[in-house]
Amino acid sequence: DAGVTQSPTHLIKTRGQQVTLRCSPKSGHDTVSWYQQALGQGPQFIFQYYEEEERQRGNFPDRFSGHQFPNYSSELNVNALLLGDSALYLCASSLSRNQPQHFGDGTRLSIL
Amino acid sequence: DQQVKQNSPSLSVQEGRISILNCDYTNSMFDYFLWYKKYPAEGPTFLISISSIKDKNEDGRFTVFLNKSAKHLSLHIVPSQPGDSAVYFCAALRAGKSTFGDGTTLTVKP
Repeated sequence: DAGVTQSPTHLIKTRGQQVTLRCSPKSGHDTVSWYQQALGQGPQFIFQYYEEEERQRGNFPDRFSGHQFPNYSSELNVNALLLGDSALYLCASSLSRNQPQHFGDGTRLSIL
Repeated sequence: DQQVKQNSPSLSVQEGRISILNCDYTNSMFDYFLWYKKYPAEGPTFLISISSIKDKNEDGRFTVFLNKSAKHLSLHIVPSQPGDSAVYFCAALRAGKSTFGDGTTLTVKP
């Protein structure tokens, strides 16, 4: 049974570019959340998707957007990349919004 | 304003002894509290949770205690094993939004 899978594993971009990160949830999970984790800090909640709609959002600017597809997979899009966007981006899935989450291994995004 | 705080960045214990990891929170509206363990180059793994209406939950070697009046929770690991060495994150959950602390690195020495 595959867990949460994320792609790509690593990504290097330059300032001003746009990036799309992808996530496939654990089988049977329909709720997907995205987190940003800076070095030495805990994951910071970006947003959560359920039934293809954004249900909750953290304190992130509109440059961060997402999408959930009918098969429950999800994308995180970040526009106009800044140096400060360099971080580990984690995707997590759960059976419902208030259930424990299963995390992928993340995408390491580096902005030059 | 950090709503969930883990004030000890690191903890070192001897194999077989008890490990106690602590976490403080400020928002009394959280519904659940969870502990995750993270190994290098891997995503966090769910360990144990507790509902805000409980004060204790036990699962094998892991026990979580919740003190609502003090807005404090702790994770006890007994007995500690070298394989428990990892970063432990405390998280608080409300309406689908999880708020994490910055983690405590636990080292269990053989």
